[in-house]
Amino acid sequence: AQSVTQPDIHITVSEGASLELRCNYSYGATPYLFWYVQSPGQGLQLLLKYFSGDTLVQGIKGFEAEFKRSQSSFNLRKPSVHWSDAAEYFCAVATNQAGTALIFGKGTTLSVSS
Amino acid sequence: GAVVSQHPSWVICKSGTSVKIECRSLDFQATTMFWYRQFPKQSLMLMATSNEGSKATYEQGVEKDKFLINHASLTLSTLTVTSAHPEDSSFYICSARTSGRAGTGELFFGEGSRLTVL
Repeated sequence: AQSVTQPDIHITVSEGASLELRCNYSYGATPYLFWYVQSPGQGLQLLLKYFSGDTLVQGIKGFEAEFKRSQSSFNLRKPSVHWSDAAEYFCAVATNQAGTALIFGKGTTLSVSS
Repeated sequence: GAVVSQHPSWVICKSGTSVKIECRSLDFQATTMFWYRQFPKQSLMLMATSNEGSKATYEQGVEKDKFLINHASLTLSTLTVTSAHPEDSSFYICSARTSGRAGTGELFFGEGSRLTVL
């Protein structure tokens, strides 16, 4: 069965510093990978997704993620963090593009210090 | 992007009562909606897949008689927590998939509904 692991429960980054959030997945075939952000009391907003093609994916708000099949990873990065980036980040995997639900990791809470 | 709205956003009820949560796709039709449950500091756990005009598909371990799902139209799915107990207190989130050419539908999430059972 597919699963997603986010090793870091909580990360604190200084404003302006770079960020990397880790995500590892377990799935036998080609996965469809997603990163979502959730602000307090809010629903989830899609940051970016990987279906195929270029393994470096650009998303909204200056985020990017790189799919590495050899490492079963899909880490999220941002070169310079802003205070408004403080939120909960979820990595998710789907087994196909259409009509399937997502399996989520447990999430990483990002705090931004000034 | 597309908008998915949930109502109510926060509900408090007494133990033993039933609570209905609505999930609406406001500007698109959704043949499939998904219901998730999120515990504090935890991930989203898929409860069920709601298909318009047919019975919902429940994940293993989810009591279908307790969590009634109805998807009567292409823009509305409802989750009813029957005979709620304090352990049912949680954050319930729905998502809806836009239709169109196969493989291109995108998931949009509602803002969530926080249920507190006293």
